[in-house]
Amino acid sequence: DAGVTQSPTHLIKTRGQQVTLRCSPKSGHDTVSWYQQALGQGPQFIFQYYEEEERQRGNFPDRFSGHQFPNYSSELNVNALLLGDSALYLCASSLGQGASYEQYFGPGTRLTVT
Amino acid sequence: QKEVEQNSGPLSVPEGAIASLNCTYSDRGSQSFFWYRQYSGKSPELIMFIYSNGDKEDGRFTAQLNKASQYVSLLIRDSQPSDSATYLCAVNMWDTGNQFYFGTGTSLTVIP
Repeated sequence: DAGVTQSPTHLIKTRGQQVTLRCSPKSGHDTVSWYQQALGQGPQFIFQYYEEEERQRGNFPDRFSGHQFPNYSSELNVNALLLGDSALYLCASSLGQGASYEQYFGPGTRLTVT
Repeated sequence: QKEVEQNSGPLSVPEGAIASLNCTYSDRGSQSFFWYRQYSGKSPELIMFIYSNGDKEDGRFTAQLNKASQYVSLLIRDSQPSDSATYLCAVNMWDTGNQFYFGTGTSLTVIP
């Protein structure tokens, strides 16, 4: 049973650049959520994709955008990178849009902005 | 006010003891509650979830939920050094569109 996968593992970018992170959900899952986790903090919800549409969004600026493909995989794009965007970016997958569902995390992408 | 609050610790317990981790949350139609374990440099791993008031046991782990007090806890029995990690409490809040809110985590160290 394939778990959640993310790529790349690590990434170093310069301020003002753009970055794309990728996620493949756990086998059988159709919903992908993205989180940003700063050092010493809990994950912060960025947005969630279901049926190729953004269904929910956290308190993040429009510089953060995403996409979900027909095979349920997803991308997170961040434009005009700031130093404060340096964090661990986590993808979590789940099944459906029910009120109670378990999310499983991928290994994360460590983004460093210099 | 933060939606989910945890004592950041660190919490230290001797090997074989019971570790008790606590979490409080704001009431926004909260539906379900999750505990994740996160080792340093790794991603969160789901340990348990609980939906109804009371206790739920899974091996050495017991989750306790009290919706009236807006309180959820995790007990780890017979703590092992491998349990040393940060434990994240997450709450799924219905009236914010099913968003997950995480606490900042409690750091647990089990001393051999």
